[in-house]
Amino acid sequence: AQSVAQPEDQVNVAEGNPLTVKCTYSVSGNPYLFWYVQYPNRGLQFLLKYITGDNLVKGSYGFEAEFNKSQTSFHLKKPSALVSDSALYFCAVRDNTGGFKTIFGAGTRLFVKA
Amino acid sequence: NAGVTQTPKFQVLKTGQSMTLQCAQDMNHEYMSWYRQDPGMGLRLIHYSVGAGITDQGEVPNGYNVSRSTTEDFPLRLLSAAPSQTSVYFCASREGVGGNTIYFGEGSWLTVV
Repeated sequence: AQSVAQPEDQVNVAEGNPLTVKCTYSVSGNPYLFWYVQYPNRGLQFLLKYITGDNLVKGSYGFEAEFNKSQTSFHLKKPSALVSDSALYFCAVRDNTGGFKTIFGAGTRLFVKA
Repeated sequence: NAGVTQTPKFQVLKTGQSMTLQCAQDMNHEYMSWYRQDPGMGLRLIHYSVGAGITDQGEVPNGYNVSRSTTEDFPLRLLSAAPSQTSVYFCASREGVGGNTIYFGEGSWLTVV
């Protein structure tokens, strides 16, 4: 069965510092991996995804994520955090065998302090 | 460029009432789904559809019905609302098989009293 773990409920970082939001996954076969962001009272917005190829994936708003197959991780990173990055971040996984279900993590709230 | 449109945005129901959350997408996506979002639990899949006339249950289907008479529309029906169904509901869609991105609606905030 597929599963996603986001071990941190909240991540606090100062503006200008690098940020990391952690995600580990479990899936049979090779994964499709996604990061989404949710701002207050809004739907989820797509940030980036890993399908195949280069393990470092670049996405919207300066975010990137690194796929690590041996550690089954897909951590979200940004070199320099902005206050406007404060939001709820979700990691998601889907297997690549044609399955429908995308499983989401519980979410990590990022708080960037000015 | 509407994407995924959900209505209503906010609703308060009394226990035992029924209602329908509407969802429409204009991207000609095959796959549509409904999730509920609860604090600390992420998004849980309620029902999904892989095409018109085809629906199936997700992780938490009890108390909800769906139908898919057209590619565009995927309404979610609460048959007899219960306080445990107080949640935020998201409709989503994507193209068929493969690593395609899921697109979400803006959400429907439902309170059952």
